[in-house]
Amino acid sequence: ETGVTQTPRHLVMGMTNKKSLKCEQHLGHNAMYWYKQSAKKPLELMFVYSLEERVENNSVPSRFSPECPNSSHLFLHLHTLQPEDSALYLCASSQTMQGSGARNTGELFFGEGSRLTVL
Amino acid sequence: GQNIDQPTEMTATEGAIVQINCTYQTSGFNGLFWYQQHAGEAPTFLSYNVLDGLEEKGRFSSFLSRSKGYSYLLLKELQMKDSASYLCASDGQNFVFGPGTRLSVLP
Repeated sequence: ETGVTQTPRHLVMGMTNKKSLKCEQHLGHNAMYWYKQSAKKPLELMFVYSLEERVENNSVPSRFSPECPNSSHLFLHLHTLQPEDSALYLCASSQTMQGSGARNTGELFFGEGSRLTVL
Repeated sequence: GQNIDQPTEMTATEGAIVQINCTYQTSGFNGLFWYQQHAGEAPTFLSYNVLDGLEEKGRFSSFLSRSKGYSYLLLKELQMKDSASYLCASDGQNFVFGPGTRLSVLP
């Protein structure tokens, strides 16, 4: 139990569906992240929120839409996805934002991930 | 820019010692993380090196050389449960994960 909870754990959707992934952290952290993990590829950072403001969007297609209503919750809204979007989507949180150039004060805590299959 | 590299796969025997290397090129480098990820599970934190040298934590140790852009994770007295992927990640102006090294521990 890492203190970061993701739902659903598994999701199968068609290319025309709209679904959402949810992440909740109980650690009092100020930064939250969405990562994509595909087979045989490094973890890819998708979105970063620091104090509920989006800091980074690494050229992610608009069919992925993040939402951070407060510092404990993070959503990833999915619509008109493609089969190549099938992957494990990992949520993470940290005390302060990683990769900010400032002194790092703590590691990432990951959720168990949401395994997405797009048919 | 940022570039980080690790071997893709390694195999070792139960009870042995294995060293997993990581090389990086990172702007504004702050430190180097190691994470462990068992198949189907989330990555979990192992270590964080900021200064040069070796840091020991039980059976696992991590080494950093800032001048060489090099780190390694040393696993001693290998156990079957150590079979997992090991991810290094560099922290600086950006935070980037390496591709991961899948370690298989054989009986």
